[in-house]
Amino acid sequence: GAGVSQTPSNKVTEKGKYVELRCDPISGHTALYWYRQSLGQGPEFLIYFQGTGAADDSGLPNDRFFAVRPEGSVSTLKIQRTERGDSAVYLCASSLRSRLFDNEQFFGPGTRLTVL
Amino acid sequence: AQKITQTQPGMFVQEKEAVTLDCTYDTSDPSYGLFWYKQPSSGEMIFLIYQGSYDQQNATEGRYSLNFQKARKSANLVISASQLGDSAMYFCAMRDPNYGGSQGNLIFGKGTKLSVKP
Repeated sequence: GAGVSQTPSNKVTEKGKYVELRCDPISGHTALYWYRQSLGQGPEFLIYFQGTGAADDSGLPNDRFFAVRPEGSVSTLKIQRTERGDSAVYLCASSLRSRLFDNEQFFGPGTRLTVL
Repeated sequence: AQKITQTQPGMFVQEKEAVTLDCTYDTSDPSYGLFWYKQPSSGEMIFLIYQGSYDQQNATEGRYSLNFQKARKSANLVISASQLGDSAMYFCAMRDPNYGGSQGNLIFGKGTKLSVKP
């Protein structure tokens, strides 16, 4: 079946502009996660959705970052007034709702954001 | 706070030989889950193996096995019979136990770049 998809694969923007990054999770996965991966680092957690609601947004670096998942499926990460430091690969992952610890997260290919 | 440490920025291994990638973790929670992911140059994160804190045996998945030493808080990945396609970044991760375990986000280490030589 189809995996997690993310669009666009690459996004180049100018400092101060607004960008939207889209994530389409695996069908039936109720949990959705956004991570940010800077060059040479591991992914860092941004926000986690369970269904339509953000269960944890403690990883969002500041109020320029916002994410939505209005129908409990597709999610959009929105970044306002982009800064050069926002340049990174933004990864999305989804998983089934499960009580088990080994609940694997399936990752998308990521969106590479470059802020000039 | 939970933390994952991978002390090997880069590793080399000869094709067909085994290699161990180190991972130590820090948590005060008795229940946790540990994961290893592979990230080739194409960028996607590929799940390799999982170890639960209460699992009695070390996890194995094909050529991948996990050397889990709970008292030392280490979860080293062992890749047997290395192949050229194993060249990639490898990340150790722990599920944040703050959400009762199963739904929390993953906390990643900085990764180890493995290069397999022919």
